[in-house]
Amino acid sequence: ETGVTQTPRHLVMGMTNKKSLKCEQHLGHNAMYWYKQSAKKPLELMFVYSLEERVENNSVPSRFSPECPNSSHLFLHLHTLQPEDSALYLCASSQDRASSYNEQFFGPGTRLTVL
Amino acid sequence: RKEVEQDPGPFNVPEGATVAFNCTYSNSASQSFFWYRQDCRKEPKLLMSVYSSGNEDGRFTAQLNRASQYISLLIRDSKLSDSATYLCVVNTHLSVRGNQFYFGTGTSLTVIP
Repeated sequence: ETGVTQTPRHLVMGMTNKKSLKCEQHLGHNAMYWYKQSAKKPLELMFVYSLEERVENNSVPSRFSPECPNSSHLFLHLHTLQPEDSALYLCASSQDRASSYNEQFFGPGTRLTVL
Repeated sequence: RKEVEQDPGPFNVPEGATVAFNCTYSNSASQSFFWYRQDCRKEPKLLMSVYSSGNEDGRFTAQLNRASQYISLLIRDSKLSDSATYLCVVNTHLSVRGNQFYFGTGTSLTVIP
C-alpha cells in the first residue's frame, strides 16, 4: 500500500464504548497529525507527533488519547465520547516539522458517529 | 482575526468558465502556502504548493502576493470534475511551536453542464 491509510473508515459507537482509530503512513515521513473535521468548520488540529514524540496537544479533551508507537503508526483511542464528537477524523503526515516547505498528505479519514 | 480566511462561496460556474478564488492570511511571517482539493466526504488532496510568487500546473494557476498577504487560485476551462471544495492552507513558523499548518474553511465550487 502507498500513502496514508486509516481504519476503520466508518465507526458508530455509543457513549460508553471504547474504540481506537488507526493510521499508517508508507511515505517515510517523520511527523504525523490527527485532525477533526466537523461540518462547515475548518480542520481542527488535535495532536502532532514528530519522531514519535508528541509535540502538540491542542486542548483536546482527555477522552481522546493518542499513541504513536513508531514513526509509521498513529492511533487515537476513544472513550466515553459525546455526540458532539461525531465528525470526520483525518490523519496526515509530512516529512518533518523543521522545514516550512513540507506538504501534508492525508488519509481517507474515519467518519465517526457517537450515539 | 482568523489565521486564514476564504470566501466560502458557493461558486456555481458553467463548464469552460474561468473562476478565481482568493485567500487571505494574517501572519506576515508565513512561509509556504498550499491549495488542497476536497471532494464530498473525502480527504483533502494536495492540488498545488506555492513557495514563491506563483505556480502553474495545466489549467490551474496559483499566485502569491506577500505584500497584501493573499493567495489566489485560478481555474481555466472549468470541467465538471473540478466540482469540489478548495482549501487554502498556510504554513507558518512559530518560534516556540515550530511549523504550524492553518486551514481555511474552504471555497465550494460547482461546475454546471
